Amino acid sequence: QVQLVQSGVEVKKPGASVKVSCKASGYSFSSYGISWLRQAPGQGLEWIGWISVYNGDTKYAQKFQGRVSITTETHSNTGYMELRSLTSDDTAVYYCARERVYSIHEFEFWGQGTLVTVSS
Amino acid sequence: EIVLTQSPATLSLSPGERATLSCRASQSVSRYLAWYQHKPGQAPRLLMYNASDRATGIPARFSGSGSGTDFTLTISSLEPEDFAVYYCQHRSNWPLTFGGGTKVEIK
Repeated sequence: QVQLVQSGVEVKKPGASVKVSCKASGYSFSSYGISWLRQAPGQGLEWIGWISVYNGDTKYAQKFQGRVSITTETHSNTGYMELRSLTSDDTAVYYCARERVYSIHEFEFWGQGTLVTVSS
Repeated sequence: EIVLTQSPATLSLSPGERATLSCRASQSVSRYLAWYQHKPGQAPRLLMYNASDRATGIPARFSGSGSGTDFTLTISSLEPEDFAVYYCQHRSNWPLTFGGGTKVEIK
């Protein structure tokens, strides 16, 4: 069965960077894209960006452009999201999610979420 | 960027009642709209895609309709496990965006 398993809780200081991983199993990793999303406390869902595992193409929300990098490692079936220059506004649960069909951006499978807390 | 506006923000209903949730887009998204259910401490769950297609394993009491800018998610008879927050999301173009959510709570 399809599974996305994310790395654990992170606590960071303002100005630092965080890199969250998402290990996929149960399907052909290169055949689907992966998006990263987040939910801040008391807020709704927010899309951060997407990567085509097949060819490495990426798309980012303008809000995160220049501060985020989404990558994959095909030999380990793992995706990564790095967010730099963290502020308290980046405190959130971060999710990776696999699209339902390649390049059709609805999210059928999700990781369990990774809590990132930014605090001095 | 396409803005999705969901209404109402909160819906207070009893089990067995019908729930009607609305999602309005700031410009046409054709039928490229999905709905998700989100419960505290869990990952969101895809309910509907292409406005009216149920995702795998979703019960028939969930239905979706609409096209262009106005969409509806209907839960025909609420079960106890349906009390949650519901989000709509479009995939018409970049960036992908979500609505602010509708919380369906027990009355």
